[in-house]
Amino acid sequence: ETGVTQSPTHLIKTRGQQVTLRCSSQSGHNTVSWYQQALGQGPQFIFQYYREEENGRGNFPPRFSGLQFPNYSSELNVNALELDDSALYLCASGPSGSDTQYFGPGTRLTVL
Amino acid sequence: AQSVTQPDIHITVSEGASLELRCNYSYGATPYLFWYVQSPGQGLQLLLKYFSGDTLVQGIKGFEAEFKRSQSSFNLRKPSVHWSDAAEYFCAVGVPGGDKIIFGKGTRLHILP
Repeated sequence: ETGVTQSPTHLIKTRGQQVTLRCSSQSGHNTVSWYQQALGQGPQFIFQYYREEENGRGNFPPRFSGLQFPNYSSELNVNALELDDSALYLCASGPSGSDTQYFGPGTRLTVL
Repeated sequence: AQSVTQPDIHITVSEGASLELRCNYSYGATPYLFWYVQSPGQGLQLLLKYFSGDTLVQGIKGFEAEFKRSQSSFNLRKPSVHWSDAAEYFCAVGVPGGDKIIFGKGTRLHILP
């Protein structure tokens, strides 16, 4: 059984650019959640997808958007990057009916 | 709204000593409770979880946690730490059937040789 994988590992962008981060859920999991972890902080919930639809959203602006594909992989898109978007972005997946989420290794985004 | 407080930002213990990391939560009913560990530059690994039943929960790597409803606490313990336990530990709360997990700010554990 493979775990949650994310790509890329690291990414450097400049302010105003757009970025796409990718996640492959653990086999058998059909929910995927994205979290932002700023330096020295705990992860903050961005949103969750279930059956390809947004299932809940945290306190993040609309320029943070996502997709979930039929194979349960997922994307996080961030438009108009700001310096404060620099963080570790974590993807987590979980099986339907379970409240446990399993995390990937994260993508470190640096915005200059 | 749910919240999680980890009052200790840093904790230092000697290798072989016992460990207790504190966690307090705020939620109107019994939440789901989790402890995750994060090594430098890595993602989060689930140590243990409490949903219901026995209030003493056993996890991986020799960790355990005890849910105390009267104190709104879910403290993590280990009888004897190893140098490899040095990491950041996050307590988290989830609402049954909800979409998100709310994390505390974490406790950084340092191990003295």
